[in-house]
Amino acid sequence: SAVISQKPSRDICQRGTSLTIQCQVDSQVTMMFWYRQQPGQSLTLIATANQGSEATYESGFVIDKFPISRPNLTFSTLTVSNMSPEDSSIYLCSFWTGGLDTEAFFGQGTRLTVV
Amino acid sequence: QQQVKQSPQSLIVQKGGISIINCAYENTAFDYFPWYQQFPGKGPALLIAIRPDVSEKKEGRFTISFNKSAKQFSLHIMDSQPGDSATYFCAASEDSNYQLIWGAGTKLIIKP
Repeated sequence: SAVISQKPSRDICQRGTSLTIQCQVDSQVTMMFWYRQQPGQSLTLIATANQGSEATYESGFVIDKFPISRPNLTFSTLTVSNMSPEDSSIYLCSFWTGGLDTEAFFGQGTRLTVV
Repeated sequence: QQQVKQSPQSLIVQKGGISIINCAYENTAFDYFPWYQQFPGKGPALLIAIRPDVSEKKEGRFTISFNKSAKQFSLHIMDSQPGDSATYFCAASEDSNYQLIWGAGTKLIIKP
């Protein structure tokens, strides 16, 4: 299966600043996604990162707050903008493998603390 | 109809015992049912997954049982070990849209 690398693994940021999280897959994948996971909670989908076009955001998430880039089929970034303590969470990228038996894999996550 | 209901919320099992976590769904269009294992501070790791063409899938000590008519699937961990202590999530999706619908998670503790 493909290897997914996400960085940074953790960061502590000042409120009002922005953080960009990077996700690199070692092979070309069609579908990439960004999730948020609050402590002790399940995963919430933020957006689908579309290669060559704007990301598709889920209800409650907007491009100005969470701009996403996907310049090619192996790389994506998520920026958390104008951060507040409520943005403290784990952010995860994910991709689906191709083929008939497609499966979903996740990065190691970025633990973000906003102070 | 998009929900996946997972139970129990937490589970304590003695070492060597069988851990069983259950999930139920409503959307009959779901055709992919994975289980993920997550340790604190880590991303979810795909543990085992099943598609509706089979009723059971086994990988080592981990088994998924799938009941299509009841719209339920479960994870069985045989000979549970302290290293299995983690949070387990079930999920479901339609392959056509690649969007996972997640259960709430089960925190599993294996007592030595």
